[in-house]
Amino acid sequence: ETGVTQTPRHLVMGMTNKKSLKCEQHLGHNAMYWYKQSAKKPLELMFVYNFKEQTENNSVPSRFSPECPNSSHLFLHLHTLQPEDSALYLCASSQGENYEQYFGPGTRLTVT
Amino acid sequence: GDSVTQMEGPVTLSEEAFLTINCTYTATGYPSLFWYVQYPGEGLQLLLKATKADDKGSNKGFEATYRKETTSFHLEKGSVQVSDSAVYFCALSDRGGYGNNRLAFGKGNQVVVIP
Repeated sequence: ETGVTQTPRHLVMGMTNKKSLKCEQHLGHNAMYWYKQSAKKPLELMFVYNFKEQTENNSVPSRFSPECPNSSHLFLHLHTLQPEDSALYLCASSQGENYEQYFGPGTRLTVT
Repeated sequence: GDSVTQMEGPVTLSEEAFLTINCTYTATGYPSLFWYVQYPGEGLQLLLKATKADDKGSNKGFEATYRKETTSFHLEKGSVQVSDSAVYFCALSDRGGYGNNRLAFGKGNQVVVIP
């Protein structure tokens, strides 16, 4: 695997379910990010991790719970979501000196 | 804070036409500027970048020049193809500390190229 991978690519869940999104980067980067992309809003930064430590929580509801066990892996745990949480969830990573972020293909989440 | 503004609305044009997508930015320091492209059903891909004033980024026939005097980073392509149909995002990096670069994104422009 190369670059940034995300699983699953598609997820349908009910409002009472618990699920997790997984992101893995194979680039040796030290920072990882979760973004939400929905049709009605521009790209929204949710969480930032740097060397496994959370450095930003952009006022995200507690029904979204991130986890970063190491610099290569990032999870987003989901529980009791709302239909308006349906969106494309994108993971990205970056290395300090290069400034650009590299994105995964995203997980298309539908909450029913 | 730092921000990016892209022109409103989708862009529809014919194959081989000239494409321009406007991007202006507001920043307190000396940001790096980027264009990302998102093809249908995929994540964002870095298209090109420029890290200082007067730099020109280029890739796949696309170009953008970092204009500090007009705080702009307009994307251009001389002859578009149907395969260029995608959403294009302008972004800047606020260089928020070592190892952690937060990007400020514009709203994106849907480009549709008609055969």
